[in-house]
Amino acid sequence: NAGVTQTPKFQVLKTGQSMTLQCAQDMNHEYMSWYRQDPGMGLRLIHYSVGAGITDQGEVPNGYNVSRSTTEDFPLRLLSAAPSQTSVYFCASSSRYSYNSPLHFGNGTRLTVT
Amino acid sequence: GESVGLHLPTLSVQEGDNSIINCAYSNSASDYFIWYKQESGKGPQFIIDIRSNMDKRQGQRVTVLLNKTVKHLSLQIAATQPGDSAVYFCAELKTSYDKVIFGPGTSLSVIP
Repeated sequence: NAGVTQTPKFQVLKTGQSMTLQCAQDMNHEYMSWYRQDPGMGLRLIHYSVGAGITDQGEVPNGYNVSRSTTEDFPLRLLSAAPSQTSVYFCASSSRYSYNSPLHFGNGTRLTVT
Repeated sequence: GESVGLHLPTLSVQEGDNSIINCAYSNSASDYFIWYKQESGKGPQFIIDIRSNMDKRQGQRVTVLLNKTVKHLSLQIAATQPGDSAVYFCAELKTSYDKVIFGPGTSLSVIP
C-alpha cells in the first residue's frame, strides 16, 4: 500500500518558470490538501479539496492553483515561480475529516526557486 | 485570526526521562486536536488525537492533555527514547470547516 506519493522529490526552478507538483493517494480518501513548510513557521495550508471537483483556499493560496479531477490525484501548480515559493511542499489526505481520521502525509517535494 | 503556537521551540531531555511538549491554540471553536511527529526528511506522522469533549487521552507511551479553559494542549512522552528525537507539531481544526491548522513545531532532542 503506497499511501500518499509525491513527485518529484527535489526540483530547482528559475524565477518565472512554471511547474506542477504531483500528489497521488491510493486509500480512496475524499480529503486532500497541500501544505508548505518553512523554517520556524510550521506547516501552512495552501489549498485543500473535500472531494473530486471541489477545491478551496487555505491560509496561503496566492501563486498556486489546484484541481481535483479524480479522487486519487491532487496536483499543485505554480504558474510563475518566485523565490518566495522556495519551500518544502507536503501533500496529505484523509477520509472526510473526522475524529480518528487524521491526515496521511507524503514525504514532500523540496523546491528551490532561484 | 486563528493560530496555533508552541511555547518552546526546542526541548532537550535525557534518555529515560519524561518529555512534555506544550501547545497553545486561539480558536475556541476548534473541536479536534492532533499531534504529529516529523523525522528528518519525512512527512509528519500521526501520534495521537483528542476531541474537545475529552481532557485526556492515552496511547502506548504518549498522553495528550487538553485544557479548554486556557486553550492549552500538551503531549507527554514517557521514558523518552532516542527514536523520539524529532519535530513535534500540534494541529487543530473545527471539523465542519475542514481546515487543519498547524503550530510552528517543537524540536525534541534526546540525550543518550
